[in-house]
Amino acid sequence: SAVISQKPSRDICQRGTSLTIQCQVDSQVTMMFWYRQQPGQSLTLIATANQGSEATYESGFVIDKFPISRPNLTFSTLTVSNMSPEDSSIYLCSVQQGGGTEAFFGQGTRLTVV
Amino acid sequence: AQKVTQAQTEISVVEKEDVTLDCVYETRDTTYYLFWYKQPPSGELVFLIRRNSFDEQNEISGRYSWNFQKSTSSFNFTITASQVVDSAVYFCALLSGYSTLTFGKGTMLLVSP
Repeated sequence: SAVISQKPSRDICQRGTSLTIQCQVDSQVTMMFWYRQQPGQSLTLIATANQGSEATYESGFVIDKFPISRPNLTFSTLTVSNMSPEDSSIYLCSVQQGGGTEAFFGQGTRLTVV
Repeated sequence: AQKVTQAQTEISVVEKEDVTLDCVYETRDTTYYLFWYKQPPSGELVFLIRRNSFDEQNEISGRYSWNFQKSTSSFNFTITASQVVDSAVYFCALLSGYSTLTFGKGTMLLVSP
């Protein structure tokens, strides 16, 4: 199974600022995924990040707000830009292995925007 | 379209009681995978089990057991002799085709001493 290190684990940020979340995997993976979990809600996919190409965003999420980098097969970052209190959520990165049949998650980043 | 329904929003039990968390799924694919994850208050998602659509054998792991029934599109999760440490949000998820995970809304389990 993949081991995923995500940081920071939590942060409190001022509105209008940006936060970059890092996700490091202990093995090479083709696709990495970023999810948002708003308080008391389920997980919602933000985007899929492939190495060497632009991330693919889900409906309701845009690159200007959530820019993603994927410089190599073991690392990705998600930036939450121009934050507002509505961005307070847990953000999780994920990878799928086994031909896409196994899914693993990082520890999550608990973001509070004040 | 894929869909996962966890009808139980919150369940409260007393320690040592058995508890079953329900999960019903929808998919048109014949090959798919079902997952259960545990999310404790710290926020990380802990993988519990993966089951593929061709394996309807029930599984037991310690106090945890899973009942997969294709006829009713259900993949229920039972905790036997619950403990306070089992308190968490539990998510059922579906993966089919070449797509991403579809999560249910989660069931919050509260186990009191």
